[in-house]
Formats: sequence, structure tokens, C-alpha cells
Amino acid sequence: QKEVEQNSGPLSVPEGAIASLNCTYSDRGSQSFFWYRQYSGKSPELIMSIYSNGDKEDGRFTAQLNKASQYVSLLIRDSQPSDSATYLCAVEHNFNKFYFGSGTKLNVKP
Amino acid sequence: GAGVSQSPSNKVTEKGKDVELRCDPISGHTALYWYRQSLGQGLEFLIYFQGNSAPDKSGLPSDRFSAERTGGSVSTLTIQRTQQEDSAVYLCASSLLAENYNEQFFGPGTRLTVL
Repeated sequence: QKEVEQNSGPLSVPEGAIASLNCTYSDRGSQSFFWYRQYSGKSPELIMSIYSNGDKEDGRFTAQLNKASQYVSLLIRDSQPSDSATYLCAVEHNFNKFYFGSGTKLNVKP
Repeated sequence: GAGVSQSPSNKVTEKGKDVELRCDPISGHTALYWYRQSLGQGLEFLIYFQGNSAPDKSGLPSDRFSAERTGGSVSTLTIQRTQQEDSAVYLCASSLLAENYNEQFFGPGTRLTVL
């Protein structure tokens, strides 16, 4: 079983819609959670971090964490074609041990 | 510099040659990480440094891979006797290494091609 699981996609949404990206992790002791955006041929860019249960909003992005279900998600409101990228979920376990999912590819259609 | 820098951006080498990849982290970041990303794949953890020490080398694929960090800043990843399966993008990241605030910031990567 992988430490971090993501649906590889592609997830296709129309421009202006809400994109919902999901991630599950296996280690209940994980304490910090991150979402990265990676455009093709580029390096990952941090877009959200979340450390406690609940929602965290930043502009059009909302991260949601449910530690009981070992589940973290990213919502992108008013999706734009420029949001088309691969989104990587990362989980920190045992302080400074990071695991990355293989990413979900998002396509936002104009 | 403002962000993590890596050099070279691209490296083409012949099988069996040694290569050195360099990473310059964000100033003040105590932790430095190396990852490898093969085409269309996720990030594979290689090694991380806390200061100049490497508490976790568990991700290094073989003894052909080694890394060092000096002065708590620049790090080099060395691959000896390169093989074609070493071809990938090598990414470096740095972080402040603070509990509940350990966000990693990535450099642009080095694309390694072994012919």
C-alpha cells in the first residue's frame, strides 16, 4: 500500500466550475499536509498547507483535512484554464519524513 | 537569492560517467531535501539534510549515489558510474525545519539524461 494515494485523473472540469482533488494517506500519525501544483516540465510549487482538522481557505483554494478518515482534499473554486496542471498531495510523518502522491492531472476546459 | 537554485539545469552524460548536481537552498533554511522524478511519475525521496548532517539516507537507490552539504548551505548530489535508469529530473527543496511549519520549496530541478 502506498503511503499517499491520489487518483491520477485526468480530472476535467469546465471553466468557472469547482475542481475537487482528493488524497488519502496510510499513516495515522502524519501531522502536516501540503498541496503542490506542478505544470508540465516545471518543478512543484507549494499552494496550500494544512495542519489541523477542518478547512483552510486561501483565495480560490480551500484545503480540507479529516484526520479520522485520513483524508485531505483541495477545492479550487472558479477554475481557470491556467489551473490546468498536476496537483501533488504531500504528507509529513515523523517530523521531516515526507511522502508524495503521484499526482492528479487537472484539465480546465475553456 | 530569493528561491532555491539548482545547477546545471540540464545534464547529458554517457553511461558510466560520474555526475555532480548542485543545490543552493533558500538563505536561512536549515533543511534540504533531494528527490527524483522520472517521466510521468511522482516524487521519489532520496535524502535529506538537517544542517550538514543527513539523518535519513534511506531513499538513496544504490551506493553509486551520495550527497553532502557543507556550511549548512550548498549541497551536491553525486552519481557515480551513471546508468540509463538514472535518467530523471533531480529536484532539491529546502525548508525552515520548524514543527508545524515545515513547508518545502523546490528548485527548478536538474534534468539528467544518461545515454
